[in-house]
Amino acid sequence: SQQGEEDPQALSIQEGENATMNCSYKTSINNLQWYRQNSGRGLVHLILIRSNEREKHSGRLRVTLDTSKKSSSLLITASRAADTASYFCATDANTDKLIFGTGTRLQVFP
Amino acid sequence: DAGVTQSPTHLIKTRGQQVTLRCSPKSGHDTVSWYQQALGQGPQFIFQYYEEEERQRGNFPDRFSGHQFPNYSSELNVNALLLGDSALYLCASSLSASGSTDTQYFGPGTRLTVL
Repeated sequence: SQQGEEDPQALSIQEGENATMNCSYKTSINNLQWYRQNSGRGLVHLILIRSNEREKHSGRLRVTLDTSKKSSSLLITASRAADTASYFCATDANTDKLIFGTGTRLQVFP
Repeated sequence: DAGVTQSPTHLIKTRGQQVTLRCSPKSGHDTVSWYQQALGQGPQFIFQYYEEEERQRGNFPDRFSGHQFPNYSSELNVNALLLGDSALYLCASSLSASGSTDTQYFGPGTRLTVL
């Protein structure tokens, strides 16, 4: 079963715009991670945020975590065509298993 | 520094057959996890190997089995293939000391098609 649900399922924007994706999960966690996947290939780790953190930045990425609402958001600023990919959140649900959400498909038009 | 490698890239099998997929972890990593990703879905955790033993398992039947070798490489075996086993199979490696659900490094995957 999926632990996380990303919203929206699909997002289309123009280059230069910001993209925001949301993730909701069901159980308590130790950490939450975001991954990117290009065209059905392997996943690339983007950022990890621990349960005691509220916000984290990495380059053009900004991740927030609200454990009271069991939700996280990923913001990509000044998007580029190369950002076109599927984005997944993953949580550990206080286990040793990494559980992925259903993903957001992002399309960035030049 | 080699990343995670998987072989083969693509595989076509028929129902009832058996398949073996292979994974070499990132240099220095000792933990290997396997995931199944159906088309349009997120990856689903199959199992994780550490010190040549299965440490965690997801909701997959016993037809799915694995092995880890002393050099930390791993195999995923699927017996009695079903049409529903068609998916992208992903291997991920991590360092046990950093926590089994900390950052994982994924290979490019093996696309399995069952006819």
